[in-house]
Amino acid sequence: AQKVTQAQTEISVVEKEDVTLDCVYETRDTTYYLFWYKQPPSGELVFLIRRNSFDEQNEISGRYSWNFQKSTSSFNFTITASQVVDSAVYFCALSDGNTGGFKTIFGAGTRLFVKA
Amino acid sequence: DVKVTQSSRYLVKRTGEKVFLECVQDMDHENMFWYRQDPGLGLRLIYFSYDVKMKEKGDIPEGYSVSREKKERFSLILESASTNQTSMYLCASRKGNQPQHFGDGTRLSIL
Repeated sequence: AQKVTQAQTEISVVEKEDVTLDCVYETRDTTYYLFWYKQPPSGELVFLIRRNSFDEQNEISGRYSWNFQKSTSSFNFTITASQVVDSAVYFCALSDGNTGGFKTIFGAGTRLFVKA
Repeated sequence: DVKVTQSSRYLVKRTGEKVFLECVQDMDHENMFWYRQDPGLGLRLIYFSYDVKMKEKGDIPEGYSVSREKKERFSLILESASTNQTSMYLCASRKGNQPQHFGDGTRLSIL
């Protein structure tokens, strides 16, 4: 069965600190996709990144970076020099590529507070 | 830019009522989804649709049904609302195997 675990329920940091959000997943499939979404207070989930299971290269986009390690089944997300606008709930998600990814499993989410 | 519009941001209904939640997308996506979001549980898939008039159960379909009469519209129906269906409901759409685009959500309270 597929499962996504985000062990950190809430994280609070001061602006300009770096913060890492952890994500551990379980799947028996060899082909799968991993995602991160951001949910600001307005409610809409915003897509941040998608990674397929065959691409373990780390990704950097501005202040955001992602570390995908199949050996530990982890897909962690780091925000460098955090800002107040980063305050949101962040979801890690997994979908099975073999079935077209119709079923996406979401973690419980990590609420990030960035204080000025 | 893709726009997924949910008809209501907040909705209050009574136990036993039939409730309709509407979702419209404007990018000709064939795939549409309904999730509910509860604290500590993340998002859970209720139903999805991959074409007009086609629907598949997700992980928690009990107490819900859906309708997809037109490609752009996907409706979630609570046949007889109960208090345990109080939740945030999120609609999403997607083209092929691309990432999903989400609406703003409907916060539904059943009294």
